[in-house]
Amino acid sequence: EIVLTQSPGTLSLSPGERATLSCRASQSVSSSYLAWYQQKPGQAPRLLIYGASSRATGIPDRFSGSGSGTDFTLTISRLEPEDFAVYYCQQYGSSPLCTFGQGTKLEIK
Amino acid sequence: EVQLVQSGAEVKKPGESLKISCKGSGYSFTSYWIGWVRQMPGKGLEWMGIIYPGDSDTRYSPSFQGQVTISADKSISTAYLQWSSLKASDTAMYYCVWAPYGDLFYFDYWGQGTLVTVSS
Repeated sequence: EIVLTQSPGTLSLSPGERATLSCRASQSVSSSYLAWYQQKPGQAPRLLIYGASSRATGIPDRFSGSGSGTDFTLTISRLEPEDFAVYYCQQYGSSPLCTFGQGTKLEIK
Repeated sequence: EVQLVQSGAEVKKPGESLKISCKGSGYSFTSYWIGWVRQMPGKGLEWMGIIYPGDSDTRYSPSFQGQVTISADKSISTAYLQWSSLKASDTAMYYCVWAPYGDLFYFDYWGQGTLVTVSS
C-alpha cells in the first residue's frame, strides 16, 4: 500500500510570497497519477491538479504541480488571500486504488 | 454541469443502521464512477470506496471493506453509503465524489457533505 507523506505540516507565509508544498510517496506512483486538492474551512475539497501537473478546470495558473516517481510538489507562485487553506495530495494509480496524504495547512504569517 | 446533492445531517445512536444518499445530475449517471470520502472531525481525507452504477462494480478501501456498503439505484441516479451498526467512531463528514476519467479515481466534483453524528 502506498503511503503519502506531506511536508511541512504547517506553512506560514505572507500574501505575495511563493509556496512550495511537498508530497512524498512510499513507493513509485504509477504514471504520475497524483492529484492535489484545496480545502477551506467548512467547504468540500476542490481539485486543483491531476496527473501530477495538469490544472483542473478553472484553476488559476499561479497553481502548478510537478514531480514524478515518489516526489511531487505543488507550487503557488504568488499567494493570494484566498489561497490560505489546507492542501491534500492523493495518489490514484496503485493499490489500494486511492490514498490521500495527511495534509499541509497553509496559514497567513 | 455535474452536481452531487447529498442527503441531510443525521444524528444516530450506537448500534443503529443508517443509509445516506448522493444524487447525481448533469451527466450520464451510469457511465462514471461515484465514490465516498470520510473526514473525521479535524482530520484529513480518507477514501472509502467507489461504485460504477452501470454494472454495480464496487471497490472498497481495505480500511472500510466489511464496515460499510456502497450501492446505487440507476433509476433515480442516486448512490448510497450504508452502515448496519453504527459506532461512535463513525462520527464524521462524508462526501460523495465523482471520478471524471474512467477508473482513474481522482475527484473532479464533490457533494456538499453529510455530517453523521453517532452518540448515545
